[in-house]
Amino acid sequence: QKEVEQDPGPLSVPEGAIVSLNCTYSNSAFQYFMWYRQYSRKGPELLMYTYSSGNKEDGRFTAQVDKSSKYISLFIRDSQPSDSATYLCAMSAKSGGSNYKLTFGKGTLLTVNP
Amino acid sequence: DSGVTQTPKHLITATGQRVTLRCSPRSGDLSVYWYQQSLDQGLQFLIQYYNGEERAKGNILERFSAQQFPDLHSELNLSSLELGDSALYFCASSPGTRLAAYNEQFFGPGTRLTVL
Repeated sequence: QKEVEQDPGPLSVPEGAIVSLNCTYSNSAFQYFMWYRQYSRKGPELLMYTYSSGNKEDGRFTAQVDKSSKYISLFIRDSQPSDSATYLCAMSAKSGGSNYKLTFGKGTLLTVNP
Repeated sequence: DSGVTQTPKHLITATGQRVTLRCSPRSGDLSVYWYQQSLDQGLQFLIQYYNGEERAKGNILERFSAQQFPDLHSELNLSSLELGDSALYFCASSPGTRLAAYNEQFFGPGTRLTVL
């Protein structure tokens, strides 16, 4: 079983829809949970990160973490064509000393149609 | 623009060859990370350097090596290349030593390597 599982999609929605992206994980040592956005032919960029279980909101984006179920979600409200990208979840756990190791999901390709 | 630069953008080479990928981190960032991204494996952490010293190793093959120079730029060397090494290679940088989210990593645009 992979440490982080993410449905690769693709996911296609109309403009204005609410989008739900999800990841599950198996490693209880993961402490930080992140969502990265990667546009075509670009490097990933950090969207949001959370530490504890619960919700964190930033504009149209809400990150949700449920540590008891080992499940994280990213919700996008009022989705826009500019949100079309690959969304990668990532999680970090200690990897020797004070170092943390990032483990990524494979990414979900999202297309928002005008 | 993240401030991280990578060269070259594209690289096409043959099996058995050796290539060097270059990364310049954001100004002031001391940590550099290398990742490999392929369709089947996703984004995989390879190795981290902090201020010239190796700090963490991930799924890096023995045929691959990296170094960080005194001016903080880094190079990833890939040798005895195989078809399966074809992938996007990303460099990321962050200010500090910890590979954690709150020490945000800024990714470069990547180098697309094609091995024929």
